[in-house]
Amino acid sequence: DVKVTQSSRYLVKRTGEKVFLECVQDMDHENMFWYRQDPGLGLRLIYFSYDVKMKEKGDIPEGYSVSREKKERFSLILESASTNQTSMYLCASSPQGGGNQPQHFGDGTRLSIL
Amino acid sequence: GDSVTQMEGPVTLSEEAFLTINCTYTATGYPSLFWYVQYPGEGLQLLLKATKADDKGSNKGFEATYRKETTSFHLEKGSVQVSDSAVYFCALRGSSGGANSKLTFGKGITLSVRP
Repeated sequence: DVKVTQSSRYLVKRTGEKVFLECVQDMDHENMFWYRQDPGLGLRLIYFSYDVKMKEKGDIPEGYSVSREKKERFSLILESASTNQTSMYLCASSPQGGGNQPQHFGDGTRLSIL
Repeated sequence: GDSVTQMEGPVTLSEEAFLTINCTYTATGYPSLFWYVQYPGEGLQLLLKATKADDKGSNKGFEATYRKETTSFHLEKGSVQVSDSAVYFCALRGSSGGANSKLTFGKGITLSVRP
């Protein structure tokens, strides 16, 4: 089975801190994604990557950046955390190819910015 | 752009009741359609999928049929259980790879099943 592992289930940080959320997948998938999940808004795509060192902005990239130095690892960075970035963050991966390939999700990181 | 619309929630049902969760979509070409489920405290899991018109996806007693004529992918289950209580997301994915591999999600709907 595909395993997508997010480094923390719960994280508490302070306003202005630089925050790193890590995600690792073990199935050699080309594509990796970061979403945030908020009540009433569903999942919104922050950034995605379809190859090492490649990245593309999703729907809400402001205030975030990403890093993909190795194929299996995709990091989300909050450059200067703010309270409106308190949310559940979900990482996902999928293989390259046609649209019938599902995404596989990690268990999420619940981030609180105080 | 692509979009997915789910019925408003939450939904509360008694055990063994029939479930329908509506999902309609807007997309170009021939997208693949998915239902994901999120149990409390967990990430999303793929529940079922359909990749072309008239395909029926099924899993764990849930079914959904890809209806291109009505651009719909409604989720159904004949008899729900308490263990089905979760958040359900409808999603679509464009028909090519690369930058189009991203999913577009609906807002999700919370299902609660009473014993």
